[in-house]
Amino acid sequence: NAGVTQTPKFQVLKTGQSMTLQCAQDMNHEYMSWYRQDPGMGLRLIHYSVGAGITDQGEVPNGYNVSRSTTEDFPLRLLSAAPSQTSVYFCASSFFRDRGEQYFGPGTRLTVT
Amino acid sequence: AQSVTQLDSHVSVSEGTPVLLRCNYSSSYSPSLFWYVQHPNKGLQLLLKYTSAATLVKGINGFEAEFKKSETSFHLTKPSAHMSDAAEYFCVVSDLNAGNNRKLIWGLGTSLAVNP
Repeated sequence: NAGVTQTPKFQVLKTGQSMTLQCAQDMNHEYMSWYRQDPGMGLRLIHYSVGAGITDQGEVPNGYNVSRSTTEDFPLRLLSAAPSQTSVYFCASSFFRDRGEQYFGPGTRLTVT
Repeated sequence: AQSVTQLDSHVSVSEGTPVLLRCNYSSSYSPSLFWYVQHPNKGLQLLLKYTSAATLVKGINGFEAEFKKSETSFHLTKPSAHMSDAAEYFCVVSDLNAGNNRKLIWGLGTSLAVNP
């Protein structure tokens, strides 16, 4: 199993550009989520999904969109990048009943200039 | 409301000495509790979890944690630190009895440094 994969590992964007961070898992997990990690702020939940076709907002959803067309994939879209979105982004997955036991991807380091 | 407080943002120990990373929580229901570890420039990995079974939980790499309901604590310990333990550690609480609005609450993390 590859586990949770994320691409790209690094990305630099200019303000106003859009992009999609990719996330895929091969463990047949129902639950998938996106976090951002900023110094001194821990992990903050952006969006999550409890299954294909079902998504919901986390605590910091503004400026981000998600979709879940398959169980495996959960892309995160930045619509119009802003410097405040400079962060490290992690995708995670788990079985729905064990949502505390999450498997994380290696992260994407995004810089918006 | 749920909350998690990691009492120390930075902990420094010498190699071979005990490690104690402190975590207090607040939960209205019966919580599940977790510790995650993040090594530099890596993703996060589950270290151990408490889900209402034994109150002393053993995890990977020699770590363990004890759930103390009376103290609302879930401190992480290791008898003897190794250089490879240097990492960021996160305490997480999950409320299991609040229906479909259950969510994870993350602590802000404790950075562990291990000195030779």
